[in-house]
Amino acid sequence: KQEVTQIPAALSVPEGENLVLNCSFTDSAIYNLQWFRQDPGKGLTSLLLIQSSQREQTSGRLNASLDKSSGRSTLYIAASQPGDSATYLCAVLNTDKLIFGTGTRLQVFP
Amino acid sequence: DAGVIQSPRHEVTEMGQEVTLRCKPISGHNSLFWYRQTMMRGLELLIYFNNNVPIDDSGMPEDRFSAKMPNASFSTLKIQPSEPRDSAVYFCASSLARTSYFGEGSWLTVV
Repeated sequence: KQEVTQIPAALSVPEGENLVLNCSFTDSAIYNLQWFRQDPGKGLTSLLLIQSSQREQTSGRLNASLDKSSGRSTLYIAASQPGDSATYLCAVLNTDKLIFGTGTRLQVFP
Repeated sequence: DAGVIQSPRHEVTEMGQEVTLRCKPISGHNSLFWYRQTMMRGLELLIYFNNNVPIDDSGMPEDRFSAKMPNASFSTLKIQPSEPRDSAVYFCASSLARTSYFGEGSWLTVV
């Protein structure tokens, strides 16, 4: 059974710092991995999707990497801003099912 | 496209009442998923459909929960009778080519 874990569970940093959020999964037979952002009381916004054959994806200040063999992904946020404060979720696609991690709650203070 | 549309956005109901949550997937998507999110358990997959056919309902918590997809553009998740522990956010997602798109969620409170 696929299990997805995210570390740390919560993170509080001053504005301007570069951040790394971690995601690990137990079954490497995945089709893709997706990072989502969730603001309080809101739905899920897809940030980046990495296919199983890819090593990384970039969008603006965000960079996500994937090491399928070791069951790990990282989300790198450069020059963090208060507007980045949210919960970040990673999810892996096994067959047709998207399995979510536990999330990292990020707070960036001015 | 308007994206995945869920209704109602918020519902407060009394214990024992029937609750019906609705979802309209993105046109052309062939898979539809229902998720539940709680503080304790995070995001859990309840059930998913492929081409309107239920494929895996192993995440449905108990017989009080049921889901249908009568056609490619509509799905319902029903709870009967509802209980306070059903209070959660219920998300619907649709996918095409293994990329999922989520609705804004239905916030359910059972008192």
